[in-house]
Amino acid sequence: EVQLVESGGGLVQPGGSLRLSCAASGFTFSIYWMHWVRQAPGKGPVWVSRINSDGRSTSYAESVKGRFTISRDNAKNTLYLQMNSLRAEDTAVYYCARDPSIVLVDDYFDYWGQGTVVTVSS
Amino acid sequence: TVMTQSPATLSVSPGGRATLSCTASQSVSSTLAWYQQKPGQAPRLLIYGASSRATGIPARFSGSGSGTEFTLTISSLQSEDFAVYYCQQYDNWPPTFGGGTKVEIK
Repeated sequence: EVQLVESGGGLVQPGGSLRLSCAASGFTFSIYWMHWVRQAPGKGPVWVSRINSDGRSTSYAESVKGRFTISRDNAKNTLYLQMNSLRAEDTAVYYCARDPSIVLVDDYFDYWGQGTVVTVSS
Repeated sequence: TVMTQSPATLSVSPGGRATLSCTASQSVSSTLAWYQQKPGQAPRLLIYGASSRATGIPARFSGSGSGTEFTLTISSLQSEDFAVYYCQQYDNWPPTFGGGTKVEIK
């Protein structure tokens, strides 16, 4: 069974940093593209970032570019999102999600974690 | 690409038929997915490629459309189908979601 379990969320002041983790199990993590998607309260999901299977190719939404860094450790089956210079508008539930493709990225999401809440407030 | 869903809320009786619409601001070919989200849960993939059901999704869920106009139909609503539904395009970068349609019990 595919499982994705996020952790690392919490309350942080504007300008602060957080590192989210996503532990994967039940599939061969090292061959899949992975994504982070966030969802503000009462809003639709918003794609944040993606990373290819070996970690060498990354992409970001314009709203987080230069502030967030996605990475992965295939030996630990774990995906990360380092978030710096956080703003109030970054407040959301952050989900890690698997891309169904193991060759070219598809950019839709066949499995999601349960999410971790990030609140940016003073 | 802006994705617009209508209606915002749809009231349907159990056993009834629900038709949800999703419009893209530019063509997305058939690269469209639908997700279901229940309160406190993550979205769940229902449909990809505009009309292909994801693994384990019941046949009462069907998707259609191409280009800019898409439809998700739930043929006979069960109690577990009352939720929020999102469409998402993945033809144009970045991938984008609609604002959702809430299907509620009439």
